[in-house]
Amino acid sequence: AQSVAQPEDQVNVAEGNPLTVKCTYSVSGNPYLFWYVQYPNRGLQFLLKYITGDNLVKGSYGFEAEFNKSQTSFHLKKPSALVSDSALYFCAVSGANSGYSTLTFGKGTMLLVSP
Amino acid sequence: DAGVIQSPRHEVTEMGQEVTLRCKPISGHNSLFWYRQTMMRGLELLIYFNNNVPIDDSGMPEDRFSAKMPNASFSTLKIQPSEPRDSAVYFCASRWTGTSTDTQYFGPGTRLTVL
Repeated sequence: AQSVAQPEDQVNVAEGNPLTVKCTYSVSGNPYLFWYVQYPNRGLQFLLKYITGDNLVKGSYGFEAEFNKSQTSFHLKKPSALVSDSALYFCAVSGANSGYSTLTFGKGTMLLVSP
Repeated sequence: DAGVIQSPRHEVTEMGQEVTLRCKPISGHNSLFWYRQTMMRGLELLIYFNNNVPIDDSGMPEDRFSAKMPNASFSTLKIQPSEPRDSAVYFCASRWTGTSTDTQYFGPGTRLTVL
């Protein structure tokens, strides 16, 4: 079975500081990894994905994520946080078990950026 | 493109009533997914369709839940009879499965409250 762990329910960071939202995964075969963001009363918006190639993936709104196969991690990062980045962030994985057809999501991490 | 469209956005009903949620996927997408989001269980995949055919409904909670996709541009999720524990936000997502690396795009969700 495929699974995702987001160990932090909430991450607090001051505006202008770098941020990291952690994600680890378990999957059969090579993983496809995704990050989504959810603003209040909205659907999930796609941020970025890792399929293959360069371990550092760049996405929307200045976010990036680093794939680390040995640590089975895919942490989301941003060099300088904005108050408007405050939202709920989901990591998701797809693997060979599902034929790469379905996503398994983590529980989500609430990011709060203070002014 | 209008994105994934869901209706209604909010639904309040009484226990025992039938509820029908609707989804219009992005034009050209051939896979459709229904998810349920709750505080306790996070984001759960209920069922997904490929080319209008249900592929995996193992996430459907019980027989009270049913989903259909009569054509490529429309899907419904029905709960009959509804119970208070069905209260949640229900999301529809779609993607094009021309390759397995394609991204799922989410609708805005339907917030269901069963009294």
